[in-house]
Amino acid sequence: NAGVTQTPKFRILKIGQSMTLQCAQDMNHNYMYWYRQDPGMGLKLIYYSVGAGITDKGEVPNGYNVSRSTTEDFPLRLELAAPSQTSVYFCASSAQPKYSGANVLTFGAGSRLTVL
Amino acid sequence: GDSVTQMEGPVTLSEEAFLTINCTYTATGYPSLFWYVQYPGEGLQLLLKATKADDKGSNKGFEATYRKETTSFHLEKGSVQVSDSAVYFCALSVGNYGGSQGNLIFGKGTKLSVKP
Repeated sequence: NAGVTQTPKFRILKIGQSMTLQCAQDMNHNYMYWYRQDPGMGLKLIYYSVGAGITDKGEVPNGYNVSRSTTEDFPLRLELAAPSQTSVYFCASSAQPKYSGANVLTFGAGSRLTVL
Repeated sequence: GDSVTQMEGPVTLSEEAFLTINCTYTATGYPSLFWYVQYPGEGLQLLLKATKADDKGSNKGFEATYRKETTSFHLEKGSVQVSDSAVYFCALSVGNYGGSQGNLIFGKGTKLSVKP
């Protein structure tokens, strides 16, 4: 049981390049999330999805795009990379919570992105 | 808006010392509260949770009590070990399920280092 798998683990980009961070989960979770983690700043939600074909913006969506064509996959696309997007990115998933206390997230191991 | 404030780190303790990491929250609804832990090089994982006032979450010797009157959810452990060295995140979830809500709001994290 792999849980949430993210690739790549590390990547260095030049300013203006584009790339996709991959995320896949094998727990049949409806909800998926992308967070970024900056030093001393906690986690900020970028985008989330409540099911295949449905995505919505989080707190910091600018410069990113997502799609959710299947339940399992939730890729995050960076267009025109900027130094401000240097961060560690975490994908997470959860079963559809019936109440707030049931919203337990399972996280991937993270993808460290550096934009130079 | 909803928010989580936790004590600044880093926190450095000797093995077998008592640990407290303070966490307070602001929420308009009735949140569930969580502590997540991030070990070096890994993603976050749930440590414990509490879903209503006066509930106590516990796991691996860690405890936290949901105090509505003080809007707090402080993390405690009576005797820390070197293996507890990690970053600890307090988080809340307010429910509006049936719609598109579902994400957690995280504090900035507190880094704990335990010395032998």
